[in-house]
Amino acid sequence: AQSVTQLGSHVSVSEGALVLLRCNYSSSVPPYLFWYVQYPNQGLQLLLKYTTGATLVKGINGFEAEFKKSETSFHLTKPSAHMSDAAEYFCAVRAGLGAGKSTFGDGTTLTVKP
Amino acid sequence: KAGVTQTPRYLIKTRGQQVTLSCSPISGHRSVSWYQQTPGQGLQFLFEYFSETQRNKGNFPGRFSGRQFSNSRSEMNVSTLELGDSALYLCASSPGLVLAKNIQYFGAGTRLSVL
Repeated sequence: AQSVTQLGSHVSVSEGALVLLRCNYSSSVPPYLFWYVQYPNQGLQLLLKYTTGATLVKGINGFEAEFKKSETSFHLTKPSAHMSDAAEYFCAVRAGLGAGKSTFGDGTTLTVKP
Repeated sequence: KAGVTQTPRYLIKTRGQQVTLSCSPISGHRSVSWYQQTPGQGLQFLFEYFSETQRNKGNFPGRFSGRQFSNSRSEMNVSTLELGDSALYLCASSPGLVLAKNIQYFGAGTRLSVL
């Protein structure tokens, strides 16, 4: 079984400030981890993914995430927030073959204040 | 290369009716998955099709069904609509069966409102 917990359903930062979106997971097998972004009335767009290898993963739009096995975490960060980063972010874990093996978190809505 | 296309974008139905949603995957992609997204339940997996065969299924009642055609296009059908079926339905395509590290590409979704 697997699960994902995103801490904080809403996060608000000022433009230029650090963005930190938290994700903790549980999985009975080595997980593959993903962060997606969803803009209003749009589908999900992949930001980055962790499969194996380097634990610090760089994605699009300046985002990165670090896989910490000991903490079962995969937090998403960006050094400097832009207004265009305002969206909903989803963490997902997949531990097996098939789309049905994906479990998504409840999402975190990021607000960026001018 | 065109992305995943879902039609229609918006749909309004009444209870008891049935509805069919369509998804055209990225050219060359053979796997199509469907998800239901609601504020209360979040993103939930409905089913995955590959080579016209349903490969995986989520925990949804039999009113939810789907199929995939030889050109990989997929349709999802919901019969006897209930108010709780109001949701954003997302389709995602992938080159092959969604292996653990494969990327899924999502469409913009169909917003279904059941009155």
